[in-house]
Amino acid sequence: ILNVEQSPQSLHVQEGDSTNFTCSFPSSNFYALHWYRWETAKSPEALFVMTLNGDEKKKGRISATLNTKEGYSYLYIKGSQPEDSATYLCAGWGNEKLTFGTGTRLTIIP
Amino acid sequence: ETGVTQSPTHLIKTRGQQVTLRCSSQSGHNTVSWYQQALGQGPQFIFQYYREEENGRGNFPPRFSGLQFPNYSSELNVNALELDDSALYLCASSLAAAEYNEQFFGPGTRLTVL
Repeated sequence: ILNVEQSPQSLHVQEGDSTNFTCSFPSSNFYALHWYRWETAKSPEALFVMTLNGDEKKKGRISATLNTKEGYSYLYIKGSQPEDSATYLCAGWGNEKLTFGTGTRLTIIP
Repeated sequence: ETGVTQSPTHLIKTRGQQVTLRCSSQSGHNTVSWYQQALGQGPQFIFQYYREEENGRGNFPPRFSGLQFPNYSSELNVNALELDDSALYLCASSLAAAEYNEQFFGPGTRLTVL
């Protein structure tokens, strides 16, 4: 069973500040790591899919890194804006399925 | 390009009843996955369908069953509803059943079992 953990569970960040949070997963039998952003009353939206150790991906002010040998991924948000308020989910692909963590709920304080 | 849609948005059932939830895939996607999200948890994988065949199943009892149709839309059926089945049910479509394909989620169906 793939066990995916996220921390922190929730986070309040002042507008303009940068922040990051963590996703950890078993390093054995790793195939891919997905990040999704889920805004209230909307559908989860894919941010990144990463497969290779050392992968770094960026979309605007959001970036992610992947370390498959030690089993973690970081998501970074630079210069947080109110529209970044959402739950950020990571999911590991293994055994032909995605296993999600419980998410990090991010609230940006204006 | 039409996104993933789900119906109904909400529904309320009583214990022992049966329910069918529906999902229309994004255009061009042949794979649909269903997830259950209970309060305080991440989405839990129920099963996946690829080209009308079940292609993987999570730890859910047989009373959770599904179908995928030739147009790749899908149904989730739950028999003998239990109180613990109350949750948000999400479907997600993807280009193929592969680890590197991002999933496109619908808005979910909120099921309440009384």
